[in-house]
Amino acid sequence: EIVMTQSPATLSVSPGGGATLSCRASQSVTTNLAWYQQKLGQAPRLLIYDASIRAPGIPPRFSGSGSGTEFTLTISTVESGDFAVYYCQQYSKWPPGITFGQGTRLEIK
Amino acid sequence: QVHLVQSGGEVKKPGASVKVSCETSGYTFTDYGISWVRQAPGQGLEWIGWINVYSGDTNFAQEFQDRVTLTTDTYTRTVYMELRSLGSDDTAVYFCARGEWELNYLDYWGQGTLVTVSS
Repeated sequence: EIVMTQSPATLSVSPGGGATLSCRASQSVTTNLAWYQQKLGQAPRLLIYDASIRAPGIPPRFSGSGSGTEFTLTISTVESGDFAVYYCQQYSKWPPGITFGQGTRLEIK
Repeated sequence: QVHLVQSGGEVKKPGASVKVSCETSGYTFTDYGISWVRQAPGQGLEWIGWINVYSGDTNFAQEFQDRVTLTTDTYTRTVYMELRSLGSDDTAVYFCARGEWELNYLDYWGQGTLVTVSS
């Protein structure tokens, strides 16, 4: 099974600051990696796919990078609407199919 | 515009089954598959399985393959997930989400359906 580990569990950032979220895979997933944002009581929203491609409508302050086992989601200038939980997801191998990280909570400092 | 609209919340007793629907619109139905993902209260996301809407082929996470069924109705553009032998640990919000392949990112999501299992 491919285990996805996100760090940190919680990240405290002031509005206007930058944020860097990490995701590590237990084995290589090449670039088959997506990032999602989930606000309380809502469904997840796709931000990034194929490790670095922004989904339609996602602002350029969100960027993804990495390949193999190490991935990063960067928010260049955090806005008030960005405080949420962020999940990474790999879609590289069968089995086990799709697996998610445990999430990083971005909170207001 | 792509929309996935799920059926309403359910309360079930342990050992029962639940069937959740996901009605789609705004795209060619048979061009994309549908995955199901669940989220227990306060927890992360867990993938359940995927159905190829065109062929009806399915793939499941190992822990669900013996008690989940995915079906489609092409005329109503609706996908169904049935989960059997419910236990209290099946209490969760269940999401449907569009994904072209069983191994793919999920670009549009339903609003979620809360399934509560309680005696």
